[in-house]
Amino acid sequence: AQSVTQPDIHITVSEGASLELRCNYSYGATPYLFWYVQSPGQGLQLLLKYFSGDTLVQGIKGFEAEFKRSQSSFNLRKPSVHWSDAAEYFCAVGSGTYKYIFGTGTRLKVLA
Amino acid sequence: DGGITQSPKYLFRKEGQNVTLSCEQNLNHDAMYWYRQDPGQGLRLIYYSQIVNDFQKGDIAEGYSVSREKKESFPLTVTSAQKNPTAFYLCASRSQGPGNTIYFGEGSWLTVV
Repeated sequence: AQSVTQPDIHITVSEGASLELRCNYSYGATPYLFWYVQSPGQGLQLLLKYFSGDTLVQGIKGFEAEFKRSQSSFNLRKPSVHWSDAAEYFCAVGSGTYKYIFGTGTRLKVLA
Repeated sequence: DGGITQSPKYLFRKEGQNVTLSCEQNLNHDAMYWYRQDPGQGLRLIYYSQIVNDFQKGDIAEGYSVSREKKESFPLTVTSAQKNPTAFYLCASRSQGPGNTIYFGEGSWLTVV
């Protein structure tokens, strides 16, 4: 069955510390992979995506993610977190058809 | 500026009432979606439309209806048959071409009073 797992429901980091949010997927076809960020009461904003080519992709706001086919993972990273990064982050997978599967999200808290 | 506009941002529904959430996009995307978001459950697909005058049920279509008369518009009606409609509703559209990507509107809060 197709699925996306974000193992961490909540993560707390100190401002200036590095961040890694985990995402694992199960998908039969070659996946398109996405990370979105959502602030409270707002829509989802696209951070970055992977669909082919270089497995390390750069996104907005200083985020990057690495596609590892052998581990079925697409973890999101940022070298130095800012207080404004506090939000909920969603990993998603698609394949070029209508269907997209979203993880249940990881809520990030940033300590000053 | 291109984007997806949802209205209203906040809506209150009385028991037994139908309400309609508006979604308009000026991105020239063919495909549009409606998702429901509940705390801790991620996004669940209600309906999607890949082209004008065509739409398909998603995973939780019961109690909802849609129309797609124009490419730019994809309104969602929450009917009285939807027993637990209080949620955050997200409209989205999908770009064409490699790496088809979903883009979201700002969402609408629906509360039953």
